[in-house]
Amino acid sequence: QITLKESGPTLVKPTQTLTLTCTFSGFSLSTSGVGVGWIRQPPGKALEWLALIYWDDDKRYSPSLKSRLTITKDTSKNQVVLTMTNMDPVDTATYYCAHSNTFAYGSGDFDYWGQGTLVTVSS
Amino acid sequence: QSALTQPASVSGSPGQSITISCTGTSSDVGSYNLVSWYQQHPGKAPKLMIYEGSKRPSGVSNRFSGSKSGNTASLTISGLQAEDEADYYCCSYAGSSTFKVFGTGTKVTVL
Repeated sequence: QITLKESGPTLVKPTQTLTLTCTFSGFSLSTSGVGVGWIRQPPGKALEWLALIYWDDDKRYSPSLKSRLTITKDTSKNQVVLTMTNMDPVDTATYYCAHSNTFAYGSGDFDYWGQGTLVTVSS
Repeated sequence: QSALTQPASVSGSPGQSITISCTGTSSDVGSYNLVSWYQQHPGKAPKLMIYEGSKRPSGVSNRFSGSKSGNTASLTISGLQAEDEADYYCCSYAGSSTFKVFGTGTKVTVL
C-alpha cells in the first residue's frame, strides 16, 4: 500500500525559504522507474506542476520556478524534500507530493498522492 | 510555458455524455501522446483517470475515455453520474525542458 504525507510549516513570512518534506511508504525511491513529485494548488485555483525527482536522481523543475526550487531525496529515510526560496504571498497554496512510475504510467504521471498541506505566506 | 486551456465549466444530466477539451500547442499536446487527466473532488487530492492520452489505470471506470486531435485533447465521460461531479485537469508532457504542464481546470456539474 503506497502512502505519502507532506509536512512542513503552515505559515511562512515573505522572503523566507519554505522547506517541505514528503514521507512515503509502500515503495522505494531506489527502484527503477519510480519518482516523487510536487504539485501545488492556490486556493480556488488550478494545479501547478513544480518538480520531480527520479530513482536515478534525475531532477525536473518547472521552468518558471526553477531558480527558486530544489528537490532532493533521502532514500534511506523514504523522504523527498522540496525547498522554495524567496516566498511571496502568491505562493500561498496547498502543496502535494505524489508518486510516479514511468514504466507504468508514462512520463511523470502521478498515481498516488498525499493529502496535501496548506502553506500560507504572510507577514 | 502557459497552462493548457480548458473550459471553465461543463454540465450534463445523469446518463448523458459530456466532453472536456484541453487545448495546448505544438510544443506540448500536439507533439506527444502523453496527455493525462485528473479528477479532483472538493477538498481531496487529484486522482489519475487517463494517462498516455487514452489509457485508464486499473480501477477507473470505462465511462471515462480520452482522445486527441492536433493540439487539442479531450476527456469524454459517458453515462454521467452524480459522483462524476468534480474538477477535471488535463496535463501534458511538454518536452525535456518544460516537462509537464497542467490545464486550467474544468468544473463538471451534474444537473
